[in-house]
This record gives sequence, structure tokens and C-alpha cells, in this order.
Amino acid sequence: QVTLKESGPALVKPRQTLTLTCTFSGFSLSTSEMRVIWIRQPPGKALEWLARIDWDDYKVYTTSLKTRLTISKDTSKNQVVLTMTNMDPVDTATYYCARIRGWSSSWFFDYWGQGTLVTVSS
Amino acid sequence: QSVLTQPPSVSGAPGQRVTISCTGSSSNIGAGFDVHWYQQLPGTAPKVLIYGNTNRPSGVPDRFSGSKSGTSASLAITGLQAEDEADYYCQSYDNNVSGWVFGGGTKLTVL
Repeated sequence: QVTLKESGPALVKPRQTLTLTCTFSGFSLSTSEMRVIWIRQPPGKALEWLARIDWDDYKVYTTSLKTRLTISKDTSKNQVVLTMTNMDPVDTATYYCARIRGWSSSWFFDYWGQGTLVTVSS
Repeated sequence: QSVLTQPPSVSGAPGQRVTISCTGSSSNIGAGFDVHWYQQLPGTAPKVLIYGNTNRPSGVPDRFSGSKSGTSASLAITGLQAEDEADYYCQSYDNNVSGWVFGGGTKLTVL
């Protein structure tokens, strides 16, 4: 059974750094073709992908936030960590981690965490 | 402004059929990338409903079906039920942004 769960602070101040952890079970990020992605959703708005990490430590970031994001993994703990620097109120959103499945022209997200709401406010 | 365009809302009576469109361009759907659909019930995480344009994961009723043509895709829901009331998102990949793109979401109301 595949599960993912996000954890991290519910409230951060502007200009602070956000660190979120995705703890998963039911698969291993050391297995070939396994990938995990972070996606966020501002209140009442659409979904936006942020960063992806693969089994071989390949990493990709969304262009608009590339300079502020870092994704990493701890295979022994079954965790993926996302850091986002210089937080702003517009970054207020529910942050999800999800597993990526499919093939190169057809990647989709088959299991999602419950999400964690992060509010940026002084 | 989302890269993929969906109607903000659709509605239908119980038992009816509704469709939700997802319009893209030559850099995403038209480039051959598959379209996937997610259902997001209030206060919950999205759940994959259709993957690879037309495939249903196990457990998804066959009332849900997907199609793709050219630069667009559609999600059809037949035999509408009250439990189908949710937000629906389409998703694909885009060459221009070198990443995954989502539609703006469509709120389905069961009258």
C-alpha cells in the first residue's frame, strides 16, 4: 500500500525559509524509475508543480521558482525534503507530495499525500 | 492564467451526462503528450481519475471516461451522482515550460 504524508510548519514569516518533508511508504526511491514530485495549490486556485526528484537523484525545478527551491531525498528514511527560500505571502498554499508514474510522454501522479497548508504571514 | 483551459464550472442533474473540456496547444496536448484527469473532493487531495487519456485506475467507476483529439481533451461523466460533486483538473506536459501543466479546474455541481 502506497502512502505519502507531508509535514512541516503551518506558519512561516516573510523572508524565512520553508522546509517540508514528505515521508512515504509502499515504494522505494532507490528503485529504478521511481520519482516524487512536489505540487502546491493556493487557496481556491489551481495546482502548480514545484520540483521533482528521481531514483538516480536527478532533479528538476519549475522555471519560475528555480532559484528558491531545493529538493533532496533520504532513501534510508523514505523521505523527500523540499526547501523554499525567501517566503512571501503569495506562497501561501497547500503543499502536496505525490508519486510520479507513467512514461516519458505520459507522466502522471498516482498517489498523493494529504497536503499541508502553509501560511506566510508576519 | 493556466496553460490548459477548462470551463470554471459545469452542472447537471442526477443521472445526466456532463463533459468537461481541456484545451491546450501545440506545445502540450498537440505535441502528443497525454492528458490525465484528477478529481478533488472538498478538503481532500486530488485523486487520479483518468490517466493516459483514456485509462481508468482500478476502483474508478466506468461512468468516468476520457478522450483526446488534437489539442484538446475531454472528461465525460455519465449517470451523475451527488458524490461526483467536486473539482476536476486536467494535466499534461508542456515543451515550452519544460514541465507539467494543469488546467484551472472545473467545479462540478450536481443539481
